[in-house]
Amino acid sequence: AQSVTQLDSQVPVFEEAPVELRCNYSSSVSVYLFWYVQYPNQGLQLLLKYLSGSTLVKGINGFEAEFNKSQTSFHLRKPSVHISDTAEYFCAVINAGNNRKLIWGLGTSLAVNP
Amino acid sequence: KAGVTQTPRYLIKTRGQQVTLSCSPISGHRSVSWYQQTPGQGLQFLFEYFSETQRNKGNFPGRFSGRQFSNSRSEMNVSTLELGDSALYLCASIPGGSSYNEQFFGPGTRLTVL
Repeated sequence: AQSVTQLDSQVPVFEEAPVELRCNYSSSVSVYLFWYVQYPNQGLQLLLKYLSGSTLVKGINGFEAEFNKSQTSFHLRKPSVHISDTAEYFCAVINAGNNRKLIWGLGTSLAVNP
Repeated sequence: KAGVTQTPRYLIKTRGQQVTLSCSPISGHRSVSWYQQTPGQGLQFLFEYFSETQRNKGNFPGRFSGRQFSNSRSEMNVSTLELGDSALYLCASIPGGSSYNEQFFGPGTRLTVL
């Protein structure tokens, strides 16, 4: 069965510092991968996704992620964070075959401090 | 284009009651997914509807049900509420028929069961 593990439940960081939010998945088949962000009291918004092609994916708000098939990882990175990046970040995976269910990680709470 | 609308935004019910939540997807989107979000369990998939048909279902008891109307609006119903049903219920609107597409989330309905 597929599963998604976000290795850090909370990540505190200072403004303008780089950040990496880690995501590992388990699956016996090809997958598509997503990162979503949830700002306080809002719904989720897509940051970026990997379907195929280049393993380095660029998303909105300066975020990027790298798909590593051998390590079954899809870590999210930003070279310099802002206070406004404070939010909950979710990694999700979907089976590239017939199963249409998105499987979600438990989320990583990113707190950017001045 | 208007975003995904969920009503009501907040709801307080007591154990044993039933509740109906509504979701209006983005105009032109034919697929709607529902999720339950709790701090301990994260986002859990409830069901997905496409063109009035339930296409996929998560691992929730039969007390949780849903439907989709011809205008793509969707409702979910929870009968015989339990304390553990307290959660944020999110609806996602998906363009086209593929779950690989970006999911556009509504702000959610916060259900509190007393």
